[in-house]
Amino acid sequence: GAGVSQSPSNKVTEKGKDVELRCDPISGHTALYWYRQSLGQGLEFLIYFQGNSAPDKSGLPSDRFSAERTGGSVSTLTIQRTQQEDSAVYLCASSFVGGATGGEQFFGPGTRLTVL
Amino acid sequence: DQQVKQNSPSLSVQEGRISILNCDYTNSMFDYFLWYKKYPAEGPTFLISISSIKDKNEDGRFTVFLNKSAKHLSLHIVPSQPGDSAVYFCAASAQGGSEKLVFGKGTKLTVNP
Repeated sequence: GAGVSQSPSNKVTEKGKDVELRCDPISGHTALYWYRQSLGQGLEFLIYFQGNSAPDKSGLPSDRFSAERTGGSVSTLTIQRTQQEDSAVYLCASSFVGGATGGEQFFGPGTRLTVL
Repeated sequence: DQQVKQNSPSLSVQEGRISILNCDYTNSMFDYFLWYKKYPAEGPTFLISISSIKDKNEDGRFTVFLNKSAKHLSLHIVPSQPGDSAVYFCAASAQGGSEKLVFGKGTKLTVNP
């Protein structure tokens, strides 16, 4: 079946502009996560959606970052007034929480964001 | 404060030999541990996991060992193959993996033919 897909694969923007990154999770997965990986760093948790529960936003670095998940499926991560330090690869993952798999998260290919 | 640490940024081994990647953690609430492999320009791929109720989990050439008292886990790959060359991330989670993952910075493994 189809894996997690993300679009665009690459995004170059100017400082101060807003960007939207999209994630299509694996069908049937109840949980969706956003992470980012800056150069030379590990993956940094941003936000987590699980079913109809309130999202865990504890990883969002500032109020310029927001995300929504519509209909329990597709998610959009929005970064307003982008800064150069926002440049990173933004990764989306999904998992089926509560199943026998133990909740392994399956990742998309990522969106490489470059803020000039 | 880094809760998951991979102290070796790189490791080089010969094809056919054993690769051992190490990971340390500090948060005693972690009860589920995973290893992911990442190739350039791709997302991480799940490799193997272990629950804190176990001390070993094996899947083919890959074995993960967990030492809870030392808060240490390791991934053994044997025999190593050139296709195993990638960056390996250790990750940890609370509540059986249903929570967010906390990742280490990764170890770049190079397997030389």
